[in-house]
This record gives sequence, structure tokens and C-alpha cells, in this order.
Amino acid sequence: GDSVTQMEGPVTLSEEAFLTINCTYTATGYPSLFWYVQYPGEGLQLLLKATKADDKGSNKGFEATYRKETTSFHLEKGSVQVSDSAVYFCALILRSGAGSYQLTFGKGTKLSVIP
Amino acid sequence: GAGVSQSPSNKVTEKGKDVELRCDPISGHTALYWYRQSLGQGLEFLIYFQGNSAPDKSGLPSDRFSAERTGGSVSTLTIQRTQQEDSAVYLCASSLSGGFPTDTQYFGPGTRLTVL
Repeated sequence: GDSVTQMEGPVTLSEEAFLTINCTYTATGYPSLFWYVQYPGEGLQLLLKATKADDKGSNKGFEATYRKETTSFHLEKGSVQVSDSAVYFCALILRSGAGSYQLTFGKGTKLSVIP
Repeated sequence: GAGVSQSPSNKVTEKGKDVELRCDPISGHTALYWYRQSLGQGLEFLIYFQGNSAPDKSGLPSDRFSAERTGGSVSTLTIQRTQQEDSAVYLCASSLSGGFPTDTQYFGPGTRLTVL
């Protein structure tokens, strides 16, 4: 079945460090890909998305490029801030057999940024 | 409304009792989804509504789980005879149409259910 694998956390970085969170997927079709973020005490928020190969999603300094050849959608940020501390979820969306576009999530990566 | 809202935010119940969880989607969103977030299973899909119909119930873990949606708006997820393994955060999401893979799903803050 469809699945998403993302790097295990927790990840601890110093402020202004470079961030990469790896995400790879397995899917039978051509999914849309998403990164969601969950800040402490808050709900899931869409961070960025890409809907076709070679698309780059970007938001708040974060970027991810849809790589069909490597089935990857790695999240990157050049200089993290303490406020980026959160749990990051990679997800894909495909049409299910029953006709819905349900999200399939990775297990999440907790990022802690220290001053 | 401004966003997806869910109630209650926290629910503690005893094993064997029934619980109802409520979701108010964003106004005008025809698609509504329920997900569950638990330590062991991560985030998993439960059920999808298009309007008041539920064409995809494939994620409901057992027949103790049911959901309905009325007026194309509010949805209620009901868990009967709760078990300890039902303890999780139940998340609701809505999207504008549900008919396209590019539709963004907007999530509510969740209901944390604890079954003692």
C-alpha cells in the first residue's frame, strides 16, 4: 500500500543551523505531497505542498522539491529559528479505492531548536 | 467559521462507556475527514464525508466506531463501548471540495480522548 517514511527524530539543532528532514514515499500512482507542522499545543497546519514532479513547495523559509526519480520530498531550511521547534509530518494524498483523497502520513519528526 | 473547531478538547471516560466527538468544519467546505493520532499508530485516516454521505469508511477500526454528518456541516464521531486502545487524539479536517488531490485539508485542534 501507499506509505511515507521520514527520518526518525528527535532532531536537535542550534539556531541558524541548516535543516534537512528526509522523506520518501511509496505509491502506485502520482501523489500530491505535503509537509504539515504541529507546533506545541496547536493543531496540524499545512506548511507546503507540491502536486507534480519537479514542483518546489516553499513557505516560511522552508522548501521541498518533489523528486519522482527518487520518490522523495525532503524538507529543508537554511537557517532555523527557535520558533521552528515543532513536529513535522510528511504526507501524500492519493485517490483511494472508495473515491476519497485521504492523507497518508509519516510518523513525524520532532525538531527542537536551541538558542 | 474561521477554522475547523472540535469539541470537547479533552475527554476522559471509563472503559465501556460511549463517547461523542464533534467537529465543525470551515464554512462552505463540502469534504470532511476524521483522523486519529496515537503513539503506536501515528496519524491514520478514519472516515471521509462528501456532503452528508460517507463514501469512504475504510479507516474505521471496528464497528464500535460510527460517524454522521448533518446539514453538510457538523459531524459527530461516536465510539461505543470504549476500550483503552481507543485512547488517542481525534482530528477532524475539512477541504473545499474533496474532489481533487490538490485540495488542502485544514485541521482542527483535535479532541484528546483518554479511556481509563
